[in-house]
Amino acid sequence: SQKIEQNSEALNIQEGKTATLTCNYTNYSPAYLQWYRQDPGRGPVFLLLIRENEKEKRKERLKVTFDTTLKQSLFHITASQPADSATYLCNPNNNDMRFGAGTRLTVKP
Amino acid sequence: DTAVSQTPKYLVTQMGNDKSIKCEQNLGHDTMYWYKQDSKKFLKIMFSYNNKELIINETVPNRFSPKSPDKAHLNLHINSLELGDSAVYFCASSATPGRRSHNEQFFGPGTRLTVL
Repeated sequence: SQKIEQNSEALNIQEGKTATLTCNYTNYSPAYLQWYRQDPGRGPVFLLLIRENEKEKRKERLKVTFDTTLKQSLFHITASQPADSATYLCNPNNNDMRFGAGTRLTVKP
Repeated sequence: DTAVSQTPKYLVTQMGNDKSIKCEQNLGHDTMYWYKQDSKKFLKIMFSYNNKELIINETVPNRFSPKSPDKAHLNLHINSLELGDSAVYFCASSATPGRRSHNEQFFGPGTRLTVL
């Protein structure tokens, strides 16, 4: 059966460091993969999309990689700030709208 | 300016009641969704409508019935509410999905349903 796993439920890092979040999927062949951010009490907000023929995508301090052989995406936040603290959800997309369980990132000052 | 709006934001009700949650989007999107996020924060798709037609219908009790009067609205009606229905329900919309097309979703603020 199809499965999406995000590496850890919670990740704590120090301000200024790079946060790396992992999304692994099985029994999927997504044409693209998206990352969303969710703050407490709010709906998810789209951050980045990467297509199957792209290895890497950047947006400001965010970087996403997509390895279709490993069936894995890595999501990096460089020079992390306390304001980056949130839950990050991955969505490998086969148009069936399945999300990973999310990783709760806490950036400590 | 609100892109995707839901009402009500909070809903507290007794077991066995029937309730509705409304969703509207002003983005001109063709596709709308309902998700359930439980206490463990897992976001699970329930339904998806494209141009008022049902395209995703996950294994959801038939007490849940979505209704799409037009492309901009997707309401969720729940009959005979149970304790396990307590969760946050999110509405979302996107442009028409396709295997190769961009499918960014815009989410509403959520409706927190508490069944007593």
